[in-house]
Amino acid sequence: DAGVIQSPRHEVTEMGQEVTLRCKPISGHDYLFWYRQTMMRGLELLIYFNNNVPIDDSGMPEDRFSAKMPNASFSTLKIQPSEPRDSAVYFCASSPAGGGTEAFFGQGTRLTVV
Amino acid sequence: AQSVTQPDIHITVSEGASLELRCNYSYGATPYLFWYVQSPGQGLQLLLKYFSGDTLVQGIKGFEAEFKRSQSSFNLRKPSVHWSDAAEYFCAVGAGGGKLIFGQGTELSVKP
Repeated sequence: DAGVIQSPRHEVTEMGQEVTLRCKPISGHDYLFWYRQTMMRGLELLIYFNNNVPIDDSGMPEDRFSAKMPNASFSTLKIQPSEPRDSAVYFCASSPAGGGTEAFFGQGTRLTVV
Repeated sequence: AQSVTQPDIHITVSEGASLELRCNYSYGATPYLFWYVQSPGQGLQLLLKYFSGDTLVQGIKGFEAEFKRSQSSFNLRKPSVHWSDAAEYFCAVGAGGGKLIFGQGTELSVKP
């Protein structure tokens, strides 16, 4: 398996524009996580899905953020409208099960909002 | 509430020297504990994990960690550091349902 695949790797956008980040989890993994990494706040869990269903979105910072998982092999994180403070690295991770199982991370999308 | 503290933001060690990165956690039940490593521009890679049993856990790249319940600690160690170990290291606790709560990370620099 190729691992968790995220696209794009880098995104530069202007304030106010819509941004969509994409993730393809590892096949067979039931859990998918979206994390955000910033210098100030470190790694934060934004939302996670189990079997394509959002389980906990308490980490989503604002209504400008939304995430979907239309099928087991694809998820999106959308920011609309984007703001400079959304600049961060966004990671997608997947896991075969909950509990103490390992999460496998993608290489991340570096988002810059100017 | 669950939390993870990594007291050292940045550590510098000489190549060949031993390494210990500290991690303290707060969790009500028996924790699932993890150490991940992140190289620049890369995602996180699992080094090792503790679920139960032997409190000394061996991982990849020569790393090990020891779970000490009495101290709420899960420190990462390596007897001899290589230049390629320079990276950022994250301790995490499983918070149920597959969620991970991460510490702030420790950046490791290796002097030649």
